[in-house]
Amino acid sequence: GENVEQHPSTLSVQEGDSAVIKCTYSDSASNYFPWYKQELGKRPQLIIDIRSNVGEKKDQRIAVTLNKTAKHFSLHITETQPEDSAVYFCAASAFTNAGKSTFGDGTTLTVKP
Amino acid sequence: NAGVTQTPKFQVLKTGQSMTLQCAQDMNHEYMSWYRQDPGMGLRLIHYSVGAGITDQGEVPNGYNVSRSTTEDFPLRLLSAAPSQTSVYFCASSPTGQSLQETQYFGPGTRLLVL
Repeated sequence: GENVEQHPSTLSVQEGDSAVIKCTYSDSASNYFPWYKQELGKRPQLIIDIRSNVGEKKDQRIAVTLNKTAKHFSLHITETQPEDSAVYFCAASAFTNAGKSTFGDGTTLTVKP
Repeated sequence: NAGVTQTPKFQVLKTGQSMTLQCAQDMNHEYMSWYRQDPGMGLRLIHYSVGAGITDQGEVPNGYNVSRSTTEDFPLRLLSAAPSQTSVYFCASSPTGQSLQETQYFGPGTRLLVL
C-alpha cells in the first residue's frame, strides 16, 4: 500500500518568514495530493491540493509543488502569520479513490509574532 | 446544510464495553469513511463506503464494524473496547470518492477514552 512520509515534524518560524513542509510517497499510482490544516481540537480542513498533471499550484500565500519522478511534493507558505500556526497534514491517493487517502504524520507549525 | 455531523463529541468507556459512534451527512454524498487520529500521527483509514449497502476495510479495521443502510448514515461500532482504541475518530464524506475534483469533508470528531 501507499506510504507517506512528512518532514519536519515540528517547524518554528518568525512572523513574515516562509515555511516549507515536504512529503514523499511510495505508490506511483497516486495522483492526488491534498494538504490539510488542523487547528487544536478542530477537524482537518483542506487548504490546497494538486493533481498529477500539474507541477505547481498557488493560492495567495500558499503554494504546492509536485515532482512525480522523485515522488515528492511540498507545501510553501509565504509571509507567515500567527494564525497560520496549526498542524499541517499531507496526503496521497490514487485516481480510483480520491477519498481513500493515506496521510503523513503531520507537521506542527508555530509562527512566532 | 449541517454538513458532516458526529455524536457523541466525547465518550469514556471501560475495557470490554461496546458502543456506536454516529456519523451523518446531509449533502447526499455517496462516499463516507472513518479515520482515527492518534497523538503525533496522521489520520488512518478504518473503514469506508462507496454507497448504501457497500462497505470495505481500510488500513486499520480490526476491532471495528460498520454498516451503511442509508446514504446519510455511517455508524462505527466498537464491539469490545480496548485501551488501544483510545483516539479521536473522524468521519468524512465526499460526493463519490471517485473523482479528483472532489473535496473530502470532515466531521468535528469524537474523542474516545477507553479505560
